[in-house]
Amino acid sequence: TQLLEQSPQFLSIQEGENLTVYCNSSSVFSSLQWYRQEPGEGPVLLVTVVTGGEVKKLKRLTFQFGDARKDSSLHITAAQPGDTGLYLCAGAGAGGTSYGKLTFGQGTILTVHP
Amino acid sequence: NAGVTQTPKFQVLKTGQSMTLQCAQDMNHNSMYWYRQDPGMGLRLIYYSASEGTTDKGEVPNGYNVSRLNKREFSLRLESAAPSQTSVYFCASSDGAWNQPQHFGDGTRLSIL
Repeated sequence: TQLLEQSPQFLSIQEGENLTVYCNSSSVFSSLQWYRQEPGEGPVLLVTVVTGGEVKKLKRLTFQFGDARKDSSLHITAAQPGDTGLYLCAGAGAGGTSYGKLTFGQGTILTVHP
Repeated sequence: NAGVTQTPKFQVLKTGQSMTLQCAQDMNHNSMYWYRQDPGMGLRLIYYSASEGTTDKGEVPNGYNVSRLNKREFSLRLESAAPSQTSVYFCASSDGAWNQPQHFGDGTRLSIL
């Protein structure tokens, strides 16, 4: 069974601060996806990283996939109240039997105060 | 632009009652999934359907059954609801490839008294 440990579970910061969310596993994943979820809605994909060492940027959000494809991080620069939400990492297994199944981390609830 | 549609949005049941959660997608995806979301536990896979006509157990299948009615629809049934099944249930779909995203519905909030 593949497990993903996400930390921290809660993050409460002031507008303008920087933050990093971590996602770690002892298993290798073919790809790592990051989702954001708003209250009352389903998760929505932010980014997919597939290559070890890959870095992707989405405006003020920077996503990194570890060299060994076992861990990932999400860094937000100059957080804004609109960044508030639940952030989830999810790893995809490899091979023809994965059928796109994902293993999710526990999630990080981010609150950005004005 | 519907995507994944789940019904109902809210439901309250008594212990022992049964009900079926409905899910439909309009993206012609091969694979569909049912998750439950509980505080501090992320999303846990209940059942999935890799393609029309097939279903398989996920991480937490006990107490649930599923039916892949056709390519569009994937239902989740609770035969005898228990308070431990109080949760938010999400349906998702994808084309089934390892690097493709899943598309989620807005969830069904289920309370069992």
